Amino acid sequence: ILNVEQSPQSLHVQEGDSTNFTCSFPSSNFYALHWYRWETAKSPEALFVMTLNGDEKKKGQISATLNTKEGYSYLYIKGSQPEDSATYLCGPGSARQLTFGSGTQLTVLP
Amino acid sequence: NAGVMQNPRHLVRRRGQEARLRCSPMKGHSHVYWYRQLPEEGLKFMVYLQKENIIDESGMPKERFSAEFPKEGPSILRIQQVVRGDSAAYFCASSPYAGQAGELFFGEGSRLTVL
Repeated sequence: ILNVEQSPQSLHVQEGDSTNFTCSFPSSNFYALHWYRWETAKSPEALFVMTLNGDEKKKGQISATLNTKEGYSYLYIKGSQPEDSATYLCGPGSARQLTFGSGTQLTVLP
Repeated sequence: NAGVMQNPRHLVRRRGQEARLRCSPMKGHSHVYWYRQLPEEGLKFMVYLQKENIIDESGMPKERFSAEFPKEGPSILRIQQVVRGDSAAYFCASSPYAGQAGELFFGEGSRLTVL
């Protein structure tokens, strides 16, 4: 079981603001890191799966970077919209299991 | 292609009863994972199964909990003699890939309440 920390725990931004969150994890024995978006009353939905140091991935206005040597990943949202309001989970892990952080709860105010 | 289906969505049990939670993975997915979310906590890994095999059950409590994924039919998470502390949301996820190099597809969860 890994020690995974996500910060901030929660965040309120105005529509149109750009924002970013951090996921910190032990850098040893890295295998993969997942980012999920979890809206209230729905199921977590995958955003990115990252495996290589230096990986950068993008989906629409959301992007993520990965640094496996220092053990962190950033998730960026450019020009947040109210529909981006959700909890964003990161989950580094081994080949057999992911250890999820507690998430960053984002609220985008119109 | 239907998503991951979990049932029941809500289950109420009295202390000492058994709870059975079912998970039908997406078509073509032979890897199933169960995660538990206790109140005010994040998702915690419980067990990873492939068809007819338990690959990793290191997150399962040692007693009362068991999981299976038979050749035919859904994966089942079984909790015997439930206690109040078992009240939680149980999420199933499936994947067509071995290991964690591919994304997981989650169901909407089964919420167990133990009275």
